[in-house]
Amino acid sequence: AQSVTQPDIHITVSEGASLELRCNYSYGATPYLFWYVQSPGQGLQLLLKYFSGDTLVQGIKGFEAEFKRSQSSFNLRKPSVHWSDAAEYFCAVAVNTGTASKLTFGTGTRLQVTL
Amino acid sequence: GAVVSQHPSRVICKSGTSVKIECRSLDFQATTMFWYRQFPKQSLMLMATSNEGSKATYEQGVEKDKFLINHASLTLSTLTVTSAHPEDSSFYICSAPGTSPHTQYFGPGTRLLVL
Repeated sequence: AQSVTQPDIHITVSEGASLELRCNYSYGATPYLFWYVQSPGQGLQLLLKYFSGDTLVQGIKGFEAEFKRSQSSFNLRKPSVHWSDAAEYFCAVAVNTGTASKLTFGTGTRLQVTL
Repeated sequence: GAVVSQHPSRVICKSGTSVKIECRSLDFQATTMFWYRQFPKQSLMLMATSNEGSKATYEQGVEKDKFLINHASLTLSTLTVTSAHPEDSSFYICSAPGTSPHTQYFGPGTRLLVL
């Protein structure tokens, strides 16, 4: 069965500093990987996704992620964090069920940004 | 972009009563919808897959009689928490697959508090 691990429960960074959120997955086939962000009181918003091709994917809000098959990782990065980036971040892997894909989420990383 | 709405956004009910949560795809049709449950500071756990015109598919450990799912049309799925108890208090989120493969659009969630 597929699984996603986000080792960091909580991360605090200063505004303007760089950010890297870790994600490791376990899945037998080629994974479809996602990063979502959840702000308080709001639904999950897709930041970026990886299906195939270039292993460095660009997303919205200045985020990027790199797929490393050898490390089973899909870490999220941002060069300079803004205070508005404070939120909960979820990494997820999709499993194709035939009719639609089911998502398995990691436990999330809560990002706090200090001014 | 695709929009998924949920109603109500929050509900408080007495123990023993039933609560219905609606999930609508506003500008697209969805033959499949997903229902998730999220406990405070935890990840999203898939509860069931809602299928238009047929029975829902429940994940292991989810009580079918407790969480009734109806997918009556191509734009509406409902989750009814029957005979709710305090342990059912949680954040319930629905999603619908988009046209982009393996991508889901999430509703804003419904916070249920059972007293």
